[in-house]
Amino acid sequence: GQQLNQSPQSMFIQEGEDVSMNCTSSSIFNTWLWYKQDPGEGPVLLIALYKAGELTSNGRLTAQFGITRKDSFLNISASIPSDVGIYFCAGQLRTYKYIFGTGTRLKVLA
Amino acid sequence: DTGVSQDPRHKITKRGQNVTFRCDPISEHNRLYWYRQTLGQGPEFLTYFQNEAQLEKSRLLSDRFSAERPKGSFSTLEIQRTEQGDSAMYLCASSLAAINRVTGELFFGEGSRLTVL
Repeated sequence: GQQLNQSPQSMFIQEGEDVSMNCTSSSIFNTWLWYKQDPGEGPVLLIALYKAGELTSNGRLTAQFGITRKDSFLNISASIPSDVGIYFCAGQLRTYKYIFGTGTRLKVLA
Repeated sequence: DTGVSQDPRHKITKRGQNVTFRCDPISEHNRLYWYRQTLGQGPEFLTYFQNEAQLEKSRLLSDRFSAERPKGSFSTLEIQRTEQGDSAMYLCASSLAAINRVTGELFFGEGSRLTVL
């Protein structure tokens, strides 16, 4: 199935460090969503972005909708151990279908 | 709890058996999506409904798979003659589509994990 390019694939960081990840595509999207998924659970919505260039924050999380509408970025500041998990981006096409990224696996070392 | 509800959470079946999963979306949501997720991968789109109409189906959805949303509320996903390759997490999600309202948020249930022996 179709999936978006998400990088990095995985990362180990020290507690307190900032984290950046991004998602790119050749398609144009109307909406970008970012999710966190814990093992055995469904994805949980973190941030939604609706306009090109939009920058939105949710606590320590900040995400941006790329100007070209083909990419998006997620930053996590001052990471803590509970940030561990898999982060997915998702883009919404004009047909209202959502395409997901391949995921970024985050591990935080205390 | 008014979130998306899926049942069963876990299903173990023998190859060749039929299985059915149910999804109850958030009550006012008119769009309902099914995704499949295998280990280490992101969710892959299967199909989606707006109210009772099935508007798009992925090529991943072979003729052994059928999804329904008869009254525009809950939905079922049936897999006939299961194969070992069908083992995956089946995720349901819902969203609200409304005129003059920004509603791109998609909310997921906890998923139904299928294991085919």
